[in-house]
Amino acid sequence: DQQVKQNSPSLSVQEGRISILNCDYTNSMFDYFLWYKKYPAEGPTFLISISSIKDKNEDGRFTVFLNKSAKHLSLHIVPSQPGDSAVYFCAASETGNFGNEKLTFGTGTRLTIIP
Amino acid sequence: GAGVSQTPSNKVTEKGKYVELRCDPISGHTALYWYRQSLGQGPEFLIYFQGTGAADDSGLPNDRFFAVRPEGSVSTLKIQRTERGDSAVYLCASSLAPNTEAFFGQGTRLTVV
Repeated sequence: DQQVKQNSPSLSVQEGRISILNCDYTNSMFDYFLWYKKYPAEGPTFLISISSIKDKNEDGRFTVFLNKSAKHLSLHIVPSQPGDSAVYFCAASETGNFGNEKLTFGTGTRLTIIP
Repeated sequence: GAGVSQTPSNKVTEKGKYVELRCDPISGHTALYWYRQSLGQGPEFLIYFQGTGAADDSGLPNDRFFAVRPEGSVSTLKIQRTERGDSAVYLCASSLAPNTEAFFGQGTRLTVV
């Protein structure tokens, strides 16, 4: 069963506009959430994270929102740039004794920024 | 090197053969993880090492899969009697300590024919 779901396999956004990527989870024990970005033939690169004690975390053009009651998070990129074109993975973990080492990933959303 | 290095980058093997995939983590990183990414899926957790010991191997799919990290640095993922379903990209990641950012390597694409 898929504990982390990204229901949109792809998304196209005009350059300069806002990109919104969505992620849903089912495991209520998850308390730490991350977004990774992946270019072809490269490993995933960490983008931004959020702890369940917060509902928003911002880093430059990237903002992650967490709605615990809905078990939903989203990544906002504004303004979108051509270099943002990549596959974005949502990931989640339970921060137990060993921290957030075991990540559960979604299936990814391919974002294409149209110049 | 500056990042996580995985070798080989590509490996084609015949069904039933044995393969070893190598991961060189970032120097000084005590935590090391292996993930597997099948086509159209996200990375799937396999095993986590803290130092030399496997702290969590709950993601290994069966006893054909085994991983070691004898000196707490380089790790080798070993797959016996490979099957076509083992074809995937195997990703390695390392972090300075648990609960800190994990850095991924570029992966090894394994194809079993």
